[in-house]
Amino acid sequence: LAKTTQPISMDSYEGQEVNITCSHNNIATNDYITWYQQFPSQGPRFIIQGYKTKVTNEVASLFIPADRKSSTLSLPRVSLSDTAVYYCLVGPPNSNSGYALNFGKGTSLLVTP
Amino acid sequence: DAGVIQSPRHEVTEMGQEVTLRCKPISGHDYLFWYRQTMMRGLELLIYFNNNVPIDDSGMPEDRFSAKMPNASFSTLKIQPSEPRDSAVYFCASSQPGLAGASLYNEQFFGPGTRLTVL
Repeated sequence: LAKTTQPISMDSYEGQEVNITCSHNNIATNDYITWYQQFPSQGPRFIIQGYKTKVTNEVASLFIPADRKSSTLSLPRVSLSDTAVYYCLVGPPNSNSGYALNFGKGTSLLVTP
Repeated sequence: DAGVIQSPRHEVTEMGQEVTLRCKPISGHDYLFWYRQTMMRGLELLIYFNNNVPIDDSGMPEDRFSAKMPNASFSTLKIQPSEPRDSAVYFCASSQPGLAGASLYNEQFFGPGTRLTVL
């Protein structure tokens, strides 16, 4: 079972690029990597999902090295509104077990002026 | 679509009382998930349904918790009797299968949550 490890918290100033790394040393061949964002007093929101190399959308980029033992969520030029908790999940698409859906505590990102 | 709807948004009750949380998933979504969020444990999965059938309830803390999904548009999470340690925010989420068929890890859409306080 792929266990994920990510920093508890990070700080950044507005306008900087923020990279949040998630370690998943025992990721399985079929596992995908998914990131969610949660603003205060709201439910989590899907940001991005990937399997290998690089995925980019209008919100973020996801970098996955060849060995897939880690992944990095990159937020370009953050603003105050990017202050949130970010969760990394790893799991296979076709599974009946929800073990990888325990979001845990995620990484709490604080963006300041 | 209005998104995932949860009710009530806030619930304050006394220890020993029965609590029922309700969820209406997004129409057409085949998966429904119940989560609990606390400062101590973070966001944890309690149970999930696929096509109204409970698939994995290994996260349900104990027999005091039960969940049902009588039809595709409604689910309940019940706590009986409630205890102060059940105080948390409870989220419901739904998702639809991926292009390749069943996919547990497709994008989930979360409701606003129910903040439960048990005195």
